[in-house]
Amino acid sequence: DVKVTQSSRYLVKRTGEKVFLECVQDMDHENMFWYRQDPGLGLRLIYFSYDVKMKEKGDIPEGYSVSREKKERFSLILESASTNQTSMYLCASSFGDRYYEQYFGPGTRLTVT
Amino acid sequence: GQSLEQPSEVTAVEGAIVQINCTYQTSGFYGLSWYQQHDGGAPTFLSYNALDGLEETGRFSSFLSRSDSYGYLLLQELQMKDSASYFCAVSSINTNAGKSTFGDGTTLTVKP
Repeated sequence: DVKVTQSSRYLVKRTGEKVFLECVQDMDHENMFWYRQDPGLGLRLIYFSYDVKMKEKGDIPEGYSVSREKKERFSLILESASTNQTSMYLCASSFGDRYYEQYFGPGTRLTVT
Repeated sequence: GQSLEQPSEVTAVEGAIVQINCTYQTSGFYGLSWYQQHDGGAPTFLSYNALDGLEETGRFSSFLSRSDSYGYLLLQELQMKDSASYFCAVSSINTNAGKSTFGDGTTLTVKP
């Protein structure tokens, strides 16, 4: 079974703090994704990566950056957290050209106060 | 860019059949996926259609019409555990990689 893990289930940070969200997958997947999910807005893609050190902007990249130094690990960074970044953050991975079949981690609920 | 439309809520009774529709606008269309998400849980992949027609997986079926930019998820013999949110997602590819764009989700409530 594919396993995608995220570093924290719940996180509370203060405005202006730098925040790191970590995601690790154990199935040697090439593709990794970061989404945020807000009520009524579905899943919105922040960034994705198709290979080590490669990244592509998703639909809402502003205020975020990512890092992929190893194939199994994809990090989402909030350089200076703001209250409008309070959300559920979901990481996902997929194999090769199977972009459509993504495996999700349990999510990190981030609250910025 | 991409946009998807699906109903926000659907209610049905146990044992019934329900259809969740999805219309989309996209460039570089690769296929249409469906995901299920229970309250508090992570989305899980249900099905995928790249070509026109019906794909069946147990009680769930998914349909795609590329010419109409339309698809649906059909759930048969509804069970209480099917109460969840269902998302359609269009996959598209550029020169480097593929990605999925998700709809806002349909909350399905199954009543006894």
